[in-house]
Amino acid sequence: EVQLVESGGGLVQPGGSLRLSCAASGFTFSSYWMSWVRQAPGKGLEWVANIKQDGSEKYYVDSVKGRFTISRDNAKNSLYLQMNSLRAEDTAVYYCARRLYSGSYYVGNWFDPWGQGTLVTVSS
Amino acid sequence: DIQMTQSPSSVSASVGDRVTITCRASQGISSWLAWYQQKPGKAPKLLIYAASSLQSGVPSRFSGSGSGTDFTLTISSLQPEDFATYYCQQANSFPPFTFGPGTKVDIK
Repeated sequence: EVQLVESGGGLVQPGGSLRLSCAASGFTFSSYWMSWVRQAPGKGLEWVANIKQDGSEKYYVDSVKGRFTISRDNAKNSLYLQMNSLRAEDTAVYYCARRLYSGSYYVGNWFDPWGQGTLVTVSS
Repeated sequence: DIQMTQSPSSVSASVGDRVTITCRASQGISSWLAWYQQKPGKAPKLLIYAASSLQSGVPSRFSGSGSGTDFTLTISSLQPEDFATYYCQQANSFPPFTFGPGTKVDIK
Protein backbone atom coordinates (compact mmCIF):
# COMPACT_ATOMS: atom_id res chain seq x y z
CA GLU A 1 0.00 0.00 0.00
CA VAL A 2 1.30 3.43 -0.94
CA GLN A 3 1.56 5.49 2.23
CA LEU A 4 2.90 8.82 3.43
CA VAL A 5 3.14 9.57 7.15
CA GLU A 6 4.09 13.02 8.41
CA SER A 7 5.52 13.82 11.82
CA GLY A 8 7.25 16.64 13.66
CA GLY A 9 4.46 19.16 14.02
CA GLY A 10 3.73 20.98 17.25
CA LEU A 11 3.56 24.31 19.05
CA VAL A 12 6.45 26.71 18.46
CA GLN A 13 6.99 30.35 19.33
CA PRO A 14 7.28 33.03 16.64
CA GLY A 15 10.82 33.10 15.33
CA GLY A 16 11.37 29.47 16.25
CA SER A 17 12.20 26.45 14.14
CA LEU A 18 10.67 23.09 13.43
CA ARG A 19 11.56 20.16 11.20
CA LEU A 20 8.83 18.11 9.61
CA SER A 21 9.37 14.60 8.31
CA CYS A 22 7.42 12.44 5.90
CA ALA A 23 8.02 8.69 5.77
CA ALA A 24 7.14 7.05 2.47
CA SER A 25 6.35 3.41 1.86
CA GLY A 26 4.82 1.17 -0.78
CA PHE A 27 6.51 2.79 -3.77
CA THR A 28 9.95 3.63 -5.17
CA PHE A 29 10.44 6.92 -3.36
CA SER A 30 13.51 7.92 -5.37
CA SER A 31 11.48 7.95 -8.60
CA TYR A 32 9.06 10.73 -7.66
CA TRP A 33 8.97 14.47 -7.21
CA MET A 34 7.62 15.26 -3.74
CA SER A 35 5.88 18.31 -2.32
CA TRP A 36 4.71 19.95 0.88
CA VAL A 37 1.25 21.52 0.83
CA ARG A 38 -0.27 23.37 3.78
CA GLN A 39 -3.72 24.38 4.93
CA ALA A 40 -4.29 27.09 7.53
CA PRO A 41 -7.20 26.44 9.90
CA GLY A 42 -10.47 26.86 8.04
CA LYS A 43 -8.68 27.96 4.88
CA GLY A 44 -7.77 26.53 1.48
CA LEU A 45 -4.76 24.65 0.20
CA GLU A 46 -1.38 26.28 -0.44
CA TRP A 47 1.53 24.57 -2.15
CA VAL A 48 4.72 25.25 -0.19
CA ALA A 49 7.65 23.53 -1.87
CA ASN A 50 8.72 20.63 -4.03
CA ILE A 51 11.87 18.66 -4.75
CA LYS A 52 13.11 16.60 -7.66
CA GLN A 53 13.82 12.90 -7.41
CA ASP A 54 17.55 13.35 -6.77
CA GLY A 55 17.20 16.58 -4.78
CA SER A 56 18.91 18.64 -7.48
CA GLU A 57 15.96 20.99 -8.00
CA LYS A 58 13.86 22.65 -5.32
CA TYR A 59 11.12 25.24 -5.62
CA TYR A 60 9.28 27.32 -3.03
CA VAL A 61 6.30 29.61 -2.74
CA ASP A 62 7.51 33.19 -2.27
CA SER A 63 6.18 33.48 1.29
CA VAL A 64 8.60 30.82 2.60
CA LYS A 65 11.68 31.46 0.46
CA GLY A 66 14.75 31.93 2.62
CA ARG A 67 13.00 30.51 5.70
CA PHE A 68 12.00 26.96 4.71
CA THR A 69 14.20 24.25 3.20
CA ILE A 70 12.90 21.10 1.58
CA SER A 71 15.15 18.04 1.45
CA ARG A 72 14.97 14.30 1.03
CA ASP A 73 16.90 11.16 1.94
CA ASN A 74 16.17 8.50 -0.67
CA ALA A 75 18.03 5.86 1.35
CA LYS A 76 15.58 6.43 4.19
CA ASN A 77 12.52 6.98 1.96
CA SER A 78 11.98 10.28 3.74
CA LEU A 79 11.06 13.85 2.90
CA TYR A 80 11.77 16.79 5.18
CA LEU A 81 10.82 20.42 5.66
CA GLN A 82 13.08 22.56 7.81
CA MET A 83 11.12 25.61 8.89
CA ASN A 84 12.99 28.57 10.43
CA SER A 85 11.91 32.05 11.47
CA LEU A 86 8.37 30.83 11.87
CA ARG A 87 5.51 33.31 11.84
CA ALA A 88 1.93 33.14 13.05
CA GLU A 89 0.80 32.93 9.43
CA ASP A 90 2.71 29.65 9.03
CA THR A 91 0.19 27.99 11.35
CA ALA A 92 -1.35 25.19 9.31
CA VAL A 93 -1.68 21.50 8.74
CA TYR A 94 1.27 20.47 6.59
CA TYR A 95 0.77 17.63 4.13
CA CYS A 96 3.39 15.82 2.15
CA ALA A 97 2.24 14.70 -1.26
CA ARG A 98 3.68 12.70 -4.09
CA ARG A 99 3.49 13.58 -7.74
CA LEU A 100 1.06 11.14 -9.37
CA TYR A 101 3.49 9.98 -12.04
CA SER A 102 7.18 9.16 -11.82
CA GLY A 103 9.85 9.87 -14.41
CA SER A 104 11.55 12.94 -15.78
CA TYR A 105 9.12 13.81 -18.58
CA TYR A 106 6.56 16.34 -17.34
CA VAL A 107 3.01 15.03 -17.57
CA GLY A 108 1.59 17.31 -14.91
CA ASN A 109 2.09 17.79 -11.20
CA TRP A 110 -0.95 16.10 -9.70
CA PHE A 111 -0.78 15.39 -5.98
CA ASP A 112 -1.52 11.78 -5.17
CA PRO A 113 -1.32 10.33 -2.60
CA TRP A 114 -1.27 12.68 0.39
CA GLY A 115 -0.24 12.04 3.96
CA GLN A 116 -2.61 12.58 6.87
CA GLY A 117 -0.98 15.88 7.74
CA THR A 118 0.80 17.30 10.78
CA LEU A 119 -0.31 20.45 12.59
CA VAL A 120 2.13 23.30 13.11
CA THR A 121 1.01 26.05 15.47
CA VAL A 122 3.08 29.20 15.76
CA SER A 123 2.05 31.13 18.83
CA SER A 124 3.50 32.71 21.95
CA ASP B 1 1.47 33.74 -10.54
CA ILE B 2 -1.65 32.19 -11.99
CA GLN B 3 -4.72 32.91 -9.88
CA MET B 4 -7.53 30.38 -9.64
CA THR B 5 -11.13 31.23 -8.83
CA GLN B 6 -14.07 28.91 -8.20
CA SER B 7 -17.80 29.36 -8.29
CA PRO B 8 -19.95 29.00 -6.43
CA SER B 9 -18.15 29.18 -3.09
CA SER B 10 -20.80 26.89 -1.68
CA VAL B 11 -23.76 24.93 -2.97
CA SER B 12 -26.58 23.18 -1.21
CA ALA B 13 -27.85 20.10 -2.98
CA SER B 14 -29.82 16.94 -2.43
CA VAL B 15 -28.86 13.33 -2.98
CA GLY B 16 -29.38 12.54 -6.64
CA ASP B 17 -28.85 16.10 -7.82
CA ARG B 18 -26.50 17.03 -10.62
CA VAL B 19 -23.87 19.44 -9.32
CA THR B 20 -21.53 21.57 -11.42
CA ILE B 21 -18.58 23.53 -10.06
CA THR B 22 -16.63 26.01 -12.15
CA CYS B 23 -12.94 26.90 -11.95
CA ARG B 24 -11.34 29.76 -13.83
CA ALA B 25 -7.64 30.49 -14.33
CA SER B 26 -6.27 34.02 -14.63
CA GLN B 27 -4.47 32.98 -17.81
CA GLY B 28 -4.59 30.01 -20.14
CA ILE B 29 -3.38 26.75 -18.63
CA SER B 30 -4.23 24.38 -21.50
CA SER B 31 -5.48 21.21 -19.76
CA TRP B 32 -3.12 21.39 -16.78
CA LEU B 33 -5.85 21.26 -14.18
CA ALA B 34 -6.82 18.88 -11.39
CA TRP B 35 -9.75 18.55 -9.02
CA TYR B 36 -9.55 17.36 -5.40
CA GLN B 37 -12.16 16.39 -2.84
CA GLN B 38 -11.56 17.08 0.85
CA LYS B 39 -13.69 15.96 3.75
CA PRO B 40 -13.38 17.57 7.21
CA GLY B 41 -10.26 16.49 9.05
CA LYS B 42 -8.98 14.48 6.10
CA ALA B 43 -6.34 14.94 3.43
CA PRO B 44 -7.44 15.96 -0.06
CA LYS B 45 -8.12 13.21 -2.58
CA LEU B 46 -7.34 13.48 -6.29
CA LEU B 47 -10.46 13.06 -8.43
CA ILE B 48 -9.61 14.40 -11.89
CA TYR B 49 -6.31 15.34 -13.53
CA ALA B 50 -5.38 16.78 -16.90
CA ALA B 51 -8.82 18.45 -16.85
CA SER B 52 -10.79 15.33 -17.72
CA SER B 53 -8.89 12.17 -16.73
CA LEU B 54 -10.57 10.22 -13.95
CA GLN B 55 -8.17 9.06 -11.27
CA SER B 56 -8.17 5.33 -10.62
CA GLY B 57 -10.82 4.25 -8.14
CA VAL B 58 -12.90 7.42 -8.45
CA PRO B 59 -16.59 6.81 -9.28
CA SER B 60 -17.67 7.58 -12.83
CA ARG B 61 -20.30 10.04 -11.61
CA PHE B 62 -17.41 12.52 -11.36
CA SER B 63 -16.31 14.13 -14.61
CA GLY B 64 -14.21 17.09 -15.63
CA SER B 65 -14.11 19.26 -18.71
CA GLY B 66 -12.61 22.43 -20.09
CA SER B 67 -9.36 23.85 -21.35
CA GLY B 68 -7.64 27.20 -21.50
CA THR B 69 -9.12 29.27 -18.68
CA ASP B 70 -12.51 27.72 -17.92
CA PHE B 71 -13.10 24.32 -16.36
CA THR B 72 -15.95 22.41 -14.76
CA LEU B 73 -16.31 19.52 -12.34
CA THR B 74 -19.64 17.71 -12.60
CA ILE B 75 -21.13 15.21 -10.19
CA SER B 76 -23.87 13.55 -12.19
CA SER B 77 -25.87 12.17 -9.27
CA LEU B 78 -24.81 13.38 -5.83
CA GLN B 79 -24.30 10.68 -3.25
CA PRO B 80 -24.18 11.06 0.56
CA GLU B 81 -20.42 10.52 0.58
CA ASP B 82 -19.88 13.38 -1.89
CA PHE B 83 -20.66 16.12 0.60
CA ALA B 84 -17.25 17.76 0.89
CA THR B 85 -15.15 20.69 -0.29
CA TYR B 86 -13.76 20.61 -3.81
CA TYR B 87 -10.59 22.38 -4.98
CA CYS B 88 -9.13 22.94 -8.41
CA GLN B 89 -5.35 23.18 -8.94
CA GLN B 90 -3.30 24.39 -11.90
CA ALA B 91 -0.05 22.72 -12.96
CA ASN B 92 0.75 24.76 -16.05
CA SER B 93 3.00 27.42 -14.60
CA PHE B 94 5.13 26.92 -11.53
CA PRO B 95 6.33 27.74 -9.07
CA PRO B 96 3.92 28.08 -7.53
CA PHE B 97 1.29 25.46 -8.15
CA THR B 98 -1.90 27.23 -7.18
CA PHE B 99 -5.26 26.04 -5.89
CA GLY B 100 -8.68 27.57 -6.13
CA PRO B 101 -10.36 28.76 -2.90
CA GLY B 102 -12.67 25.75 -2.76
CA THR B 103 -16.36 24.99 -3.19
CA LYS B 104 -18.26 23.46 -0.31
CA VAL B 105 -21.04 21.06 -1.24
CA ASP B 106 -23.47 20.56 1.61
CA ILE B 107 -26.83 19.00 2.23
CA LYS B 108 -29.92 20.93 1.21
